[in-house]
Amino acid sequence: GQQVMQIPQYQHVQEGEDFTTYCNSSTTLSNIQWYKQRPGGHPVFLIQLVKSGEVKKQKRLTFQFGEAKKNSSLHITATQTTDVGTYFCAGLAETSYDKVIFGPGTSLSVIP
Amino acid sequence: DSGVTQTPKHLITATGQRVTLRCSPRSGDLSVYWYQQSLDQGLQFLIQYYNGEERAKGNILERFSAQQFPDLHSELNLSSLELGDSALYFCASSITGDGYEQFFGPGTRLTVL
Repeated sequence: GQQVMQIPQYQHVQEGEDFTTYCNSSTTLSNIQWYKQRPGGHPVFLIQLVKSGEVKKQKRLTFQFGEAKKNSSLHITATQTTDVGTYFCAGLAETSYDKVIFGPGTSLSVIP
Repeated sequence: DSGVTQTPKHLITATGQRVTLRCSPRSGDLSVYWYQQSLDQGLQFLIQYYNGEERAKGNILERFSAQQFPDLHSELNLSSLELGDSALYFCASSITGDGYEQFFGPGTRLTVL
């Protein structure tokens, strides 16, 4: 079945450093979504990418969807303590009837 | 506030017992999803309902069952509880089910003693 992987599992950065998490799917995706879960909170939708090679920006966050629509990345420039949390990607396989599969997440810690 | 409500917030029970978790989706959302998140674990998809019908099934145990009612609220029933069922259970809703963004509720923390 479809699998969605994320690396790294954990990342500790100094405040001000950049951070990137990568998401890889075993199957081609119709779209990919990114969610953020703060410690003690619930996942919150960040963005959805649909087109091959798509790049979207939200302030210091840059999201990319791979040309083959099997991978994606989230890059945070100049991390802040407010970026702390777990970032999940979630992919909808082209062959799936709307069953979105979540990756295991990347937990980001920011050292002030 | 996502607009998705879940009750109760916390639940403490004993092994072998049965509990029911309740979820009310955002107004207008037809699809409801249930997820299990164990300590330091990712989101394990359990089951999805769309407008009252089961749409997709994940790694849901036979001891667990769910349903979505005509008013679109959903309940997740967990029976013959084991220690390993202790987890955070999230409900999420979306407008339809075709890969639209999901809005998560605050979760129900279940502790099985």
